[in-house]
Amino acid sequence: QVQLVESGGGLVKPGGSLRLSCAASGFTFSDYYMSWVRLAPGKGLECISYISHTSSDTNYAASVKGRFTISRDNAKNSLYLQMNSLRAEDTAVYYCARNTRVPDCWGQGTLVTVSS
Amino acid sequence: DVVMTQSPLSLPVTLGQPASISCRSSQSLVYSDGNIFLNWFQQRPGQSPRRLIYKVSNRDSGVPDRFSGSGSGTDFTLKISRVEAEDVAVYYCMQGTHWPWTFGQGTKVEIK
Repeated sequence: QVQLVESGGGLVKPGGSLRLSCAASGFTFSDYYMSWVRLAPGKGLECISYISHTSSDTNYAASVKGRFTISRDNAKNSLYLQMNSLRAEDTAVYYCARNTRVPDCWGQGTLVTVSS
Repeated sequence: DVVMTQSPLSLPVTLGQPASISCRSSQSLVYSDGNIFLNWFQQRPGQSPRRLIYKVSNRDSGVPDRFSGSGSGTDFTLKISRVEAEDVAVYYCMQGTHWPWTFGQGTKVEIK
């Protein structure tokens, strides 16, 4: 069955960096677009980025553009999110998701807390 | 960005009774290829979101047939024909036509 396992979350100070990882199994990873979605406390779900199966196509929400970078390694069945210049408003649970046009299967999420 | 507006935001339902959630988009969700990328997600307490419905009315694999989606243009509906205890969750509509894909605020379904 499809399994997506995120890691790399934690507590970071404003202005700091974190790299999230997502290990995929149970499907042919290189066949699918992938995305990152976050759920901030007291706020709704937000799609922040997606990447095509060959990495040739990426896109970002305005809230993270220029600060976050999505990437993947198809040989390792892994998705990444490099987050720089983190702000308090980036505090959220970050989900990795497989896309069939839009997210269909999601991981369990990893919590990122940005606080001094 | 496309704004997705759900109603109601809270929905107490009696077990075995139907439930209906409305979702309205601020602009047309018809994609250039004619598809309408309107989806419904369920998030049970303590769990990740799970997609129930894609392209307005198509159920994902394993989704009970008591869940149905309908709509067109800018108005969409998720219906549960007979609510069961396992349906207690927050339900989100989401459009995948225009980037950034956007979600509704969520509707919390609870048992009366």
